[in-house]
Amino acid sequence: DAKTTQPPSMDCAEGRAANLPCNHSTISGNEYVYWYRQIHSQGPQYIIHGLKNNETNEMASLIITEDRKSSTLILPHATLRDTAVYYCIVRELQGGSEKLVFGKGTKLTVNP
Amino acid sequence: DAGVIQSPRHEVTEMGQEVTLRCKPISGHNSLFWYRQTMMRGLELLIYFNNNVPIDDSGMPEDRFSAKMPNASFSTLKIQPSEPRDSAVYFCASSIRGGYGYTFGSGTRLTVV
Repeated sequence: DAKTTQPPSMDCAEGRAANLPCNHSTISGNEYVYWYRQIHSQGPQYIIHGLKNNETNEMASLIITEDRKSSTLILPHATLRDTAVYYCIVRELQGGSEKLVFGKGTKLTVNP
Repeated sequence: DAGVIQSPRHEVTEMGQEVTLRCKPISGHNSLFWYRQTMMRGLELLIYFNNNVPIDDSGMPEDRFSAKMPNASFSTLKIQPSEPRDSAVYFCASSIRGGYGYTFGSGTRLTVV
């Protein structure tokens, strides 16, 4: 089962920042937080990941709370092409397993 | 880099027929994953391989499903016999073991009538 909780849907105005929250209150010390997104009919796309420090790349920023029980993905200037389902995933590492278990995600709609 | 290549993109078959889905991972990636996506169940991991060896097949729904990876550049997912409830989009993904990101293919949309 997925170990994260996300709102089912969110809206954002084009050009504004999109802040997508994720709760992962049972995360353990060696588990990373990953974010993927899936644009309609395409395969999921890796966005960013982090352990405990905030991270930024060309796509997004990831803010992880100090207790690591929640995080926020930030798209600084959302465009219409950012409309997608965003998945927050805690990577399970059990006996060498590399599984990524996807939950239901957040459907982000960027409006013009 | 051509990415993860899946074939066919679409497959329509009759119930009872054998279906074979194909995947070519990114060169140099040593982990390969098969996922299935439906509206009801979302994205489900079926099986994954590391260095061509199946590591975890606990997500394979039943004996009708089988997956192979005969070499580092090719994997198949076979359904025999197929049933209407197998209709879904099947994704293949690859990664470097210990690496941080999966790369997904474009998927195969399977319809069993």
